[in-house]
Amino acid sequence: KAGVTQTPRYLIKTRGQQVTLSCSPISGHRSVSWYQQTPGQGLQFLFEYFSETQRNKGNFPGRFSGRQFSNSRSEMNVSTLELGDSALYLCASSLAVGAGAEAFFGQGTRLTVV
Amino acid sequence: QKEVEQNSGPLSVPEGAIASLNCTYSDRVSQSFFWYRQYSGKSPELIMSIYSNGDKEDGRFTAQLNKASQYVSLLIRDSQPSDSATYLCAVNSENQGGKLIFGQGTELSVKP
Repeated sequence: KAGVTQTPRYLIKTRGQQVTLSCSPISGHRSVSWYQQTPGQGLQFLFEYFSETQRNKGNFPGRFSGRQFSNSRSEMNVSTLELGDSALYLCASSLAVGAGAEAFFGQGTRLTVV
Repeated sequence: QKEVEQNSGPLSVPEGAIASLNCTYSDRVSQSFFWYRQYSGKSPELIMSIYSNGDKEDGRFTAQLNKASQYVSLLIRDSQPSDSATYLCAVNSENQGGKLIFGQGTELSVKP
């Protein structure tokens, strides 16, 4: 069974540009969450989607947005990139939603903003 | 106070010893607790989940939960050099909308 797939694996962008990251969850999983990981802040929750609906959102500026498609694949978009957006962006999929759901992470997309 | 706290380490143990990793959390209504292992340059890998007070064993790993003390731990028996990684504690509760709150992680080094 394939795991969570994130594309691309690496990205280098210039300040002010925008970027779109993609995540394909484990087959049968309908919940997708996104996290940002940096050395200073650790893993920070961005948002969670289930059945194409955003269920929860973290404390990030509106430049960060996401969506989920009917096949459960998800994308996140960051507009007007800043140097501080350089991070590892991780997608996690879960079979269910709610407090007990186990989340499985993809390999991540490493974004570097120059 | 951070929502989920872990000692950053590094925690160094000799091969074959027991490694003990600790985590405290601030939200009393937290319901689910997870341990992830993250190797350098890789993504987090789920190794244990625990929902009820007490111990849960899986191979060389034992998770322990004490909700009254708001404390969760991970014991690794017979530690191997391949266990050297950062271990992340994550907490989940319905009043957080089901999102995972992570600690900063504890770096474990197992010396041969």
